[in-house]
Amino acid sequence: SQQGEEDPQALSIQEGENATMNCSYKTSINNLQWYRQNSGRGLVHLILIRSNEREKHSGRLRVTLDTSKKSSSLLITASRAADTASYFCATVPNSGYALNFGKGTSLLVTP
Amino acid sequence: DGGITQSPKYLFRKEGQNVTLSCEQNLNHDAMYWYRQDPGQGLRLIYYSQIVNDFQKGDIAEGYSVSREKKESFPLTVTSAQKNPTAFYLCASSRNGLAAGELFFGEGSRLTVL
Repeated sequence: SQQGEEDPQALSIQEGENATMNCSYKTSINNLQWYRQNSGRGLVHLILIRSNEREKHSGRLRVTLDTSKKSSSLLITASRAADTASYFCATVPNSGYALNFGKGTSLLVTP
Repeated sequence: DGGITQSPKYLFRKEGQNVTLSCEQNLNHDAMYWYRQDPGQGLRLIYYSQIVNDFQKGDIAEGYSVSREKKESFPLTVTSAQKNPTAFYLCASSRNGLAAGELFFGEGSRLTVL
């Protein structure tokens, strides 16, 4: 079942600006993951944050997790045109065996 | 290079025909998954397999069938019973069957029913 919901659905920014995407979910989770998808391609894993972690960094990516609010955010700093893609959050429920994906945020970065 | 290979990339089918989408991985992963992606709908789970010779239905298994006879292979058959099969199909794998880690995805197969 789809559990994560990303917000906004679409985001348009200029190169050099930061992009922030949010994800909300409904049930207790083991971990939350963010993926990126270029148009017509497969998804690529970006970062995983466990339920006992609050923040994680990877290069220009910063992810936060608030389990009390059942929400997460993905921040991309100093965005580039090559960051243009759809970004999905996915949750692993405590009782589940497969990732549940949200509908994604479509990010457009213009030069 | 290790990875997941899906074929064909594009497939056209007439109504009433069954089609099989191939998914092969050389990552030595135990678990494999099939997702369906429709515009604006995100990814929905069709079937998953945690180990060879075992698989489980996902959220939208009706009209689909799978097999897992080898660790490397997890083909998906879209049967004529699937009411709206036109979609983008994504295969994925993970190191263990608990989906605690990341998924590795193939490049997808786009099925169009004429």
